[in-house]
Amino acid sequence: SQELEQSPQSLIVQEGKNLTINCTSSKTLYGLYWYKQKYGEGLIFLMMLQKGGEEKSHEKITAKLDEKKQQSSLHITASQPSHAGIYLCGADRPRDSNYQLIWGAGTKLIIKP
Amino acid sequence: ETGVTQTPRHLVMGMTNKKSLKCEQHLGHNAMYWYKQSAKKPLELMFVYSLEERVENNSVPSRFSPECPNSSHLFLHLHTLQPEDSALYLCASSPGVFGTEAFFGQGTRLTVV
Repeated sequence: SQELEQSPQSLIVQEGKNLTINCTSSKTLYGLYWYKQKYGEGLIFLMMLQKGGEEKSHEKITAKLDEKKQQSSLHITASQPSHAGIYLCGADRPRDSNYQLIWGAGTKLIIKP
Repeated sequence: ETGVTQTPRHLVMGMTNKKSLKCEQHLGHNAMYWYKQSAKKPLELMFVYSLEERVENNSVPSRFSPECPNSSHLFLHLHTLQPEDSALYLCASSPGVFGTEAFFGQGTRLTVV
């Protein structure tokens, strides 16, 4: 199994509806990043969470970090076609390990008009 | 536009060819990365450079050879690739190596025939 599990793998949502994507780690989370990717393109940074209980918002996207559950959730309110894409979570490895981010496999979001 | 530019955007090469991917950033970042993204798999970190010194090499086959001549440029030299090497290759940069937001290029879609 992967160190970072994203759920669901894909999601089809009616425009205007709310949705939630989860990212669960099998190890302690030190820093959690959310990125969005349009098909075949690079990743765009959305937000970074570092402390347990931290919550950040950017326009209609809100992300939270639950340190105890080793989980982060990304919530989109009143979804729009522009929200469609692949959402990836990444997490810092512990500081006594090598320098790198680990990544989830992504959640593909489709918005139905 | 993230400030990280990759060329070419698309590349088709035969298994006996030699080609190079180029990445350029003028964000003043100290760390640069090569990632491989295959369908339905998490991003795979290939190489990390910090201040032009390679700090990570994730057991990448020798047919992939990175080069970082200065802090703004990163190359990935390719030779005798296999069809399974076909993927989206993403370059990224960040201010520091650990715990900082990464900026991604648009990627090079590589097809090995």
